[in-house]
Amino acid sequence: DQQVKQNSPSLSVQEGRISILNCDYTNSMFDYFLWYKKYPAEGPTFLISISSIKDKNEDGRFTVFLNKSAKHLSLHIVPSQPGDSAVYFCAPGSGNTGKLIFGQGTTLQVKP
Amino acid sequence: DVKVTQSSRYLVKRTGEKVFLECVQDMDHENMFWYRQDPGLGLRLIYFSYDVKMKEKGDIPEGYSVSREKKERFSLILESASTNQTSMYLCASRYRDRRFYGYTFGSGTRLTVV
Repeated sequence: DQQVKQNSPSLSVQEGRISILNCDYTNSMFDYFLWYKKYPAEGPTFLISISSIKDKNEDGRFTVFLNKSAKHLSLHIVPSQPGDSAVYFCAPGSGNTGKLIFGQGTTLQVKP
Repeated sequence: DVKVTQSSRYLVKRTGEKVFLECVQDMDHENMFWYRQDPGLGLRLIYFSYDVKMKEKGDIPEGYSVSREKKERFSLILESASTNQTSMYLCASRYRDRRFYGYTFGSGTRLTVV
């Protein structure tokens, strides 16, 4: 039973346009939601987080939106750059367990 | 910054071999994790450890074991390597931000079993 789903395995956008990556979850007990970015042959690196008590968090070109009633979050990248091409993992977590649950990942390709 | 170091970037092993993957972190973190990454399946948790000599099975422990004799080192062992264990293996160490628990990952080990 997958608690976290990233239903789009891949996404291709043009440089300068907006990239929107989606994530759905089932467990209403998650306290926070992280996004990780992974380049080939490297480990994932932390990108941005949002607390369950917020509905938006912004950091430069990256914004994460949380809709708790729909159990849905999204990562917006504006404007997209070729260097953003990577795999993005959604990773909700709980303060009780201290563990992250990773989605399947979405491969983003930003074309010049 | 926390550094998590995996000893090998690429490994090629034969079926049936015993394989050791090593991971070291330099921040005295108690919690460490081993994942494998496969296309379309994301990151799947193999084992984790919450202290020296303490370990728990993750979602896919079959065919693997772990060792944590020192706090900084967490080893993943493939008892008898099989071709379906060809994968990218990622080690992580957990830290506490004021708002959440996050993981720092190593660079990964790409293991090919032939």
